[in-house]
Amino acid sequence: KAGVTQTPRYLIKTRGQQVTLSCSPISGHRSVSWYQQTPGQGLQFLFEYFSETQRNKGNFPGRFSGRQFSNSRSEMNVSTLELGDSALYLCASSLGAGKNTEAFFGQGTRLTVV
Amino acid sequence: GESVGLHLPTLSVQEGDNSIINCAYSNSASDYFIWYKQESGKGPQFIIDIRSNMDKRQGQRVTVLLNKTVKHLSLQIAATQPGDSAVYFCAENRGGNNRLAFGKGNQVVVIP
Repeated sequence: KAGVTQTPRYLIKTRGQQVTLSCSPISGHRSVSWYQQTPGQGLQFLFEYFSETQRNKGNFPGRFSGRQFSNSRSEMNVSTLELGDSALYLCASSLGAGKNTEAFFGQGTRLTVV
Repeated sequence: GESVGLHLPTLSVQEGDNSIINCAYSNSASDYFIWYKQESGKGPQFIIDIRSNMDKRQGQRVTVLLNKTVKHLSLQIAATQPGDSAVYFCAENRGGNNRLAFGKGNQVVVIP
């Protein structure tokens, strides 16, 4: 069974640009969550999608957005990139049917904003 | 690795010894907890979870203990191996719907 797949693995963008990251969850998993990981703030929750609907949202500005498709694949978008957006962006996949289910992470996308 | 900071608490342990990693959580309403291991260049890897109706759960070479009274979680690794060297995070499900709040992480260094 394939794990969580995130693409691309690495990205370099310029301030002001926008970026789209992709996540394919484990087959059969319907919940996809996104996290930002930085040395200073650690792992922080961005948002969670289940059945194409955003169920939960963290405390990030509106420049951070996401969506989920009918096949459960998810994308997140960051517009008007800032230097502080440089981070490892992680996607987690879970069955999502219940409240507390195991979440499995992908390898992440390393975003560098210059 | 993808460590959470320059000043991660670090546990140095001799190969073959047992390791204990501690975590304090903040939300008494949290009812689901997970331990993750993160190696350099990789995403967090699920190790073991525990629900709030339990105080102990065992896996392969790992045991998680939950003390809800003092809001404390620990991970015990038996017979620590070099491959156990990594950053370990505890996470609590705060608010349900798979929204995890992570601790700052603990670096474990295994000395051969």
